[in-house]
Parts: sequence; C-alpha cells; structure tokens
Amino acid sequence: DIVMTQSPLSLSVTPGEPASISCRSSQSLLHRNGDNYLEWFLQKPGQSPQLLIYWGSHRASGVPDRFSGSGSGTDFTLKISRVEAEDVGVYYCMHALEAPFTFGGGTKVEIK
Amino acid sequence: QVQLVQSGAAVKKPGASVKISCEASGYPITSYAMHWVRQAPGQRPEWIGWINAGNDDTRYSQMFQGRVTITRDASANTAYLELSSLTSEDTSVYYCARRGALYGSLYFFGVWGQGTLVTVSS
Repeated sequence: DIVMTQSPLSLSVTPGEPASISCRSSQSLLHRNGDNYLEWFLQKPGQSPQLLIYWGSHRASGVPDRFSGSGSGTDFTLKISRVEAEDVGVYYCMHALEAPFTFGGGTKVEIK
Repeated sequence: QVQLVQSGAAVKKPGASVKISCEASGYPITSYAMHWVRQAPGQRPEWIGWINAGNDDTRYSQMFQGRVTITRDASANTAYLELSSLTSEDTSVYYCARRGALYGSLYFFGVWGQGTLVTVSS
C-alpha cells in the first residue's frame, strides 16, 4: 500500500498570514495520463471531509482562491495564502492512484 | 441539489453485523461510483471499498476482505455498506462518498454523506 506522510502535525497561524502543509507519498502518484492523483481535504470539527484540491493542483468548485495545491510525483504542498478563521480544522491528503486509497495523518490548523 | 444522506447511528454488540444506507439525490446513483470510508475517533480516515458505476463491480480493501459487502439498489437510488463480525475496533464514523469514473474528468471525492456513527460495545 502507498504510505502518505504529512507535516507538520499542527500549525498555529495568525489571521492574514500564509500557511503551508507538506504531503509525501511512498511512491509516485503520477499516472501515465499526466495527472497526479492526490487530493486535499479539510475536515472541520464534527463535519465530513470537504474536497479542496484534486489531481494535485485543481481547486474544487466553490473553494476560495487563497487555497492552492502544487507538486508532482511524490511531493505535494497545500498553501493557504492568507489564513482566515473559517480555515480551522484538520487537513488531510489522500492518494487515489490505485486501491487501496490511503490518507495522510492530518495537519491540525488553529488560529492564534 | 446533489447530496448523500446516510442512515442514523447504530449500536451493535461484538460479533454482530451492521448495514448502513446512503441515499443519493440530485443524480442517478448508477452514474457514479460510490466509495465508503471510515474514521475512528481521532484517527485518519480509512478507505473501505467501492462499487463501480453501472456494472456493480466492487473492490475492497484487504483489511476488510471477507466481512464487507457494498451493494446498490438503483430503484431506491441508494448504496449500502454491510460489515460483519464486528469488534470494538470497528467503532467509527462511516462515510459514503461519490466519485467519477476511474481516471475520468470527475475522478475525485466531490460529494460526501454526513457520516454514520457505529458503536460496537457489549
């Protein structure tokens, strides 16, 4: 199975400041079609995960443009350009290259 | 409006089975794959398996092989997850999530159910 590793475990961010989360996979997520099958989710307390980024860098419908995804192969990054209070929660990366899909351990983001 | 509505919380004894439903609205359930994911308290989500769009093919994680069944009733526009031989380690919130065709243009978890808490306790 592909192992997904996230860092850091937690982040405390001042509103308006940027934040960055790293996700690394144990094998390349680059499909022969040129897409990276890596998704980012935000799970707010008591809620289902919500999709932020798919295929490594494509922002999901309705997601604010302060969220961006980058990377290819085994190294990926989620960036929030200016953190807002509503961005608190746990962020997960997940690969969808092949079964079984696996998730990173999560990064908890809180506001200072 | 596209949404997935899951059945309510369940409490089961060890060794029992549980069957969770996921009713789709706003689209025909056979036009997308349906995946199931669970999340134990304070843990990362864990993928369980999926049922394919159209042909009812299923694929399960090896971790659940032999005691999980995912089915779909097109007439009820509903998918189901059944898990047997429950232990306390199966205590989790279970989610259904919609996904487009393999490696196609909608191949991502764009819609999730609200989650169903299953508690296994004697």
